[in-house]
Amino acid sequence: AQKITQTQPGMFVQEKEAVTLDCTYDTSDPSYGLFWYKQPSSGEMIFLIYQGSYDQQNATEGRYSLNFQKARKSANLVISASQLGDSAMYFCAMREGLKAGGTSYGKLTFGQGTILTVHP
Amino acid sequence: DGGITQSPKYLFRKEGQNVTLSCEQNLNHDAMYWYRQDPGQGLRLIYYSQIVNDFQKGDIAEGYSVSREKKESFPLTVTSAQKNPTAFYLCASRGARQRQPQHFGDGTRLSIL
Repeated sequence: AQKITQTQPGMFVQEKEAVTLDCTYDTSDPSYGLFWYKQPSSGEMIFLIYQGSYDQQNATEGRYSLNFQKARKSANLVISASQLGDSAMYFCAMREGLKAGGTSYGKLTFGQGTILTVHP
Repeated sequence: DGGITQSPKYLFRKEGQNVTLSCEQNLNHDAMYWYRQDPGQGLRLIYYSQIVNDFQKGDIAEGYSVSREKKESFPLTVTSAQKNPTAFYLCASRGARQRQPQHFGDGTRLSIL
């Protein structure tokens, strides 16, 4: 079974509008973290935002916010006020086996990605 | 500036040849990772290392080998046993704290001649 599912192969948005990229995950581990990365056409992976399974509030970083619905096992990325430079591939990823208050070297499992195109 | 350096940016392999991709980091991170990305796909884990002189197989380790003799370096060898090596290879590292993301290099594109 897929641990990370991104059901939208491609999304289109008008410049200055908001867009939501979907991510659902599957884990039985109570301690996990969810990450979103952006990959422009040049190939580098840019970290955007992190949500821990025990975080009380949804994560926000500038124009990026995470709509975290734990019971539904979803962690959707919301990009507000889209810019042309936001056009890229976006990946959701999960790290399991976190230790409460401790450290973890756990590996990431990535989804298949969503290609976002911002139209002027 | 601290970061991860991958070289070369482009690499070509002949039939039956082993090639080595370099990954160096100056972030003082203990953990390092190698991923493979095929066109339009997500990243798949090849190998990872949590500490010097120790590494573990990821999901698609067959046809690849690694070493971790120094904290800063985690080279990946694509052996002749890897029959479909054409892909984009990404190296990453990470510190120990839970909330820290993996930091990635700029990648190496490997093609078969």
